[in-house]
Amino acid sequence: GDSVTQMEGPVTLSEEAFLTINCTYTATGYPSLFWYVQYPGEGLQLLLKATKADDKGSNKGFEATYRKETTSFHLEKGSVQVSDSAVYFCALGTGRRALTFGSGTRLQVQP
Amino acid sequence: GAVVSQHPSRVICKSGTSVKIECRSLDFQATTMFWYRQFPKQSLMLMATSNEGSKATYEQGVEKDKFLINHASLTLSTLTVTSAHPEDSSFYICSVPGQGRDEQYFGPGTRLTVT
Repeated sequence: GDSVTQMEGPVTLSEEAFLTINCTYTATGYPSLFWYVQYPGEGLQLLLKATKADDKGSNKGFEATYRKETTSFHLEKGSVQVSDSAVYFCALGTGRRALTFGSGTRLQVQP
Repeated sequence: GAVVSQHPSRVICKSGTSVKIECRSLDFQATTMFWYRQFPKQSLMLMATSNEGSKATYEQGVEKDKFLINHASLTLSTLTVTSAHPEDSSFYICSVPGQGRDEQYFGPGTRLTVT
């Protein structure tokens, strides 16, 4: 079945550091890939998405490229801020079914 | 603005009582909605698929008699936690398929605490 594997957290960085959160997937067919962010006590917010191979999703300085050859969708940001502290979820979708989520990676950015 | 709403956002109930959570699709009709459960510091786990006009489809290990789902209309699905116990305390999130490919819109979630 479909699955998503994320790097273990928590990830602790200083402000302005470079961020990478690894995400790999297994899926039948051609999934769409997503990154969601969840701030403390809140629901999920879509951060970015990519629907086909080599697509790059980007939003708020975050980027991720759909790599079919490595089945990966790693999240990156060049310079993190304290306000980026949250839990980040990688997810995949195939058709109009529920999404499959990774385990989530907690990011803590220190001033 | 919000595409999917949930009500209530927080609820505290006593053990043995039942709690109903509503999920509304605000912008478009939805023949399918999804219910997830999230334990503290864990990921979202799909509980069931709510189907308008037919029975919900439950994931393995989810008790259908405990978690009653009713897709009342094309814009409303309800999840009722019956005879709640402290172990049912969790964050419950619904989602609605969007217009885009594989897209889902998530509700803000309902935090249930059973005392």
